[in-house]
Amino acid sequence: AQRVTQPEKLLSVFKGAPVELKCNYSYSGSPELFWYVQYSRQRLQLLLRHISRESIKGFTADLNKGETSFHLKKPFAQEEDSAMYYCALGAGNMLTFGGGTRLMVKP
Amino acid sequence: GAVVSQHPSWVICKSGTSVKIECRSLDFQATTMFWYRQFPKQSLMLMATSNEGSKATYEQGVEKDKFLINHASLTLSTLTVTSAHPEDSSFYICSARAGGGNTIYFGEGSWLTVV
Repeated sequence: AQRVTQPEKLLSVFKGAPVELKCNYSYSGSPELFWYVQYSRQRLQLLLRHISRESIKGFTADLNKGETSFHLKKPFAQEEDSAMYYCALGAGNMLTFGGGTRLMVKP
Repeated sequence: GAVVSQHPSWVICKSGTSVKIECRSLDFQATTMFWYRQFPKQSLMLMATSNEGSKATYEQGVEKDKFLINHASLTLSTLTVTSAHPEDSSFYICSARAGGGNTIYFGEGSWLTVV
């Protein structure tokens, strides 16, 4: 069975500091990994996916199959990055979410 | 980008009544739709997966007779909470995947409060 773990429920950093939101997964096949973001009072939206290897809003994430991780990183956090971030694993017809990490960027 | 719309955005109903939530893909055909439930400050819990024209597949622990899902067309799926109780109060979110695609698009969610 697939599983996604986000070990930190809350991550608080100061503006301009680097950010790393951790995500580990377990899945026997080849996974497709996503990061979704939910800003306050807004719908869940896709931030990035590992196969596109894009940088969205300054965020990047690299799939590390050896460590089964897909950590989300940003070198300099902004206040508008404050939100809930969910790591998700897509396999077959299912999208499994991690527990989410609330990122708070303080001024 | 693709848009998924849910209706109503919020609804209050009395205990014992049934309430229907609609999920529509506005500019694409959704062969697969998903229904999630999200409790405050918690992650999304997948309730069921529905494919157009066939019965929904429910996750373990989700009562199929209580949460009726219908995916009658390629642009509409409905979730009916039957005989609602206060513990059914939650934020229900649907998502949809276009045929042949891997990207899943989310609706804005529907708040259900059962009083």
